[in-house]
Amino acid sequence: TQLLEQSPQFLSIQEGENLTVYCNSSSVFSSLQWYRQEPGEGPVLLVTVVTGGEVKKLKRLTFQFGDARKDSSLHITAAQPGDTGLYLCAGGGANAGGTSYGKLTFGQGTILTVHP
Amino acid sequence: DVKVTQSSRYLVKRTGEKVFLECVQDMDHENMFWYRQDPGLGLRLIYFSYDVKMKEKGDIPEGYSVSREKKERFSLILESASTNQTSMYLCASSPAVLGQTYYGYTFGSGTRLTVV
Repeated sequence: TQLLEQSPQFLSIQEGENLTVYCNSSSVFSSLQWYRQEPGEGPVLLVTVVTGGEVKKLKRLTFQFGDARKDSSLHITAAQPGDTGLYLCAGGGANAGGTSYGKLTFGQGTILTVHP
Repeated sequence: DVKVTQSSRYLVKRTGEKVFLECVQDMDHENMFWYRQDPGLGLRLIYFSYDVKMKEKGDIPEGYSVSREKKERFSLILESASTNQTSMYLCASSPAVLGQTYYGYTFGSGTRLTVV
């Protein structure tokens, strides 16, 4: 069974601060995705990383996939209240191939609150 | 705008009732998934389907069944609702896995089910 551990579970910061959320596993993933979920809504895909060491930027958000493809991080620069939400990482198995039918393993999530 | 539509945002049902949750996607995706989301437990996969009339059990299938008669529609059925099935239910879809490439999920807005 593949597991993804996210940390921290909760993060409460002031507007303008920087933060990093971590997603770790003992398993190798062929791709890693990050989602953001706002209260009362479904998660929305932010980014997919597929290559070990890959870094992707989305405005103030920077996503990194570990060299060994077992971990990932999300860094937010100068957080804003609009960044508040639940952040989820999700991995696709490296060894399952087509037989996994695209099933992802989700982390438990990080609840981020950015205060004005 | 591509989307996954869940038939109800909020639902209140009585213990013992048979409950149908409907999900429709307009992206011609092969894969469809049903998750439940509970505080502290993250997203847990109930069932998924990779083709019409095909289904696979997820991590917590007990007390649930599914139906996929058409590619765009995936229904979750609670055979006899119980209070421990009170939860947020999320439907998602994705394209078929190509090699090792896992595509992101598109989620619906969720159905908040309360069983009394």
